Amino acid sequence: KQEVTQIPAALSVPEGENLVLNCSFTDSAIYNLQWFRQDPGKGLTSLLLIQSSQREQTSGRLNASLDKSSGRSTLYIAASQPGDSATYLCAVRSGNTPLVFGKGTRLSVIA
Amino acid sequence: NAGVTQTPKFQVLKTGQSMTLQCAQDMNHNSMYWYRQDPGMGLRLIYYSASEGTTDKGEVPNGYNVSRLNKREFSLRLESAAPSQTSVYFCASTLRGALQETQYFGPGTRLLVL
Repeated sequence: KQEVTQIPAALSVPEGENLVLNCSFTDSAIYNLQWFRQDPGKGLTSLLLIQSSQREQTSGRLNASLDKSSGRSTLYIAASQPGDSATYLCAVRSGNTPLVFGKGTRLSVIA
Repeated sequence: NAGVTQTPKFQVLKTGQSMTLQCAQDMNHNSMYWYRQDPGMGLRLIYYSASEGTTDKGEVPNGYNVSRLNKREFSLRLESAAPSQTSVYFCASTLRGALQETQYFGPGTRLLVL
């Protein structure tokens, strides 16, 4: 059974800092991996999707990497801003099963 | 495109009452999902429908039923609500099998069972 872990559960950084969020998964036979953002009281918004054959995806200041062999993905946020404050969730799809989600990392960017 | 819509946004029920949460998507997606989100528990899958006409149990199906009414609509029913079903419920959809299988979420329904 696929399990997804995100560490740390919460992170606080000063504005302008580059930061990395971590995601690990137990079964490396994945179909894709997605990073989502969730603002308080809102639904989830997809940020980046990495296919199993890809190593990374970029969107603006966000870069997500995937290392299937080690069961890890990272989300890199460059030059963080207070507007980046949110919870970031990682989710993995394996085979025919639905996405399995981590519990998320709650990020606070302090001005 | 409205994306994924959910009704109602907020609901208060008494123990034992029933209700149906509605979800609709206008993206021609084949797969739809119902999750609940609780503090410390993360996002847990209740039921999903991989394609029109099929439904399957997720991680926490007890106390719930679903109906895939058509390709657009997927409803979640609580037959006899319990305080343990107090939660935020999210509906999601995706085009399963597409190259970019991005999952889209609705804004959520906040349910309080007294």
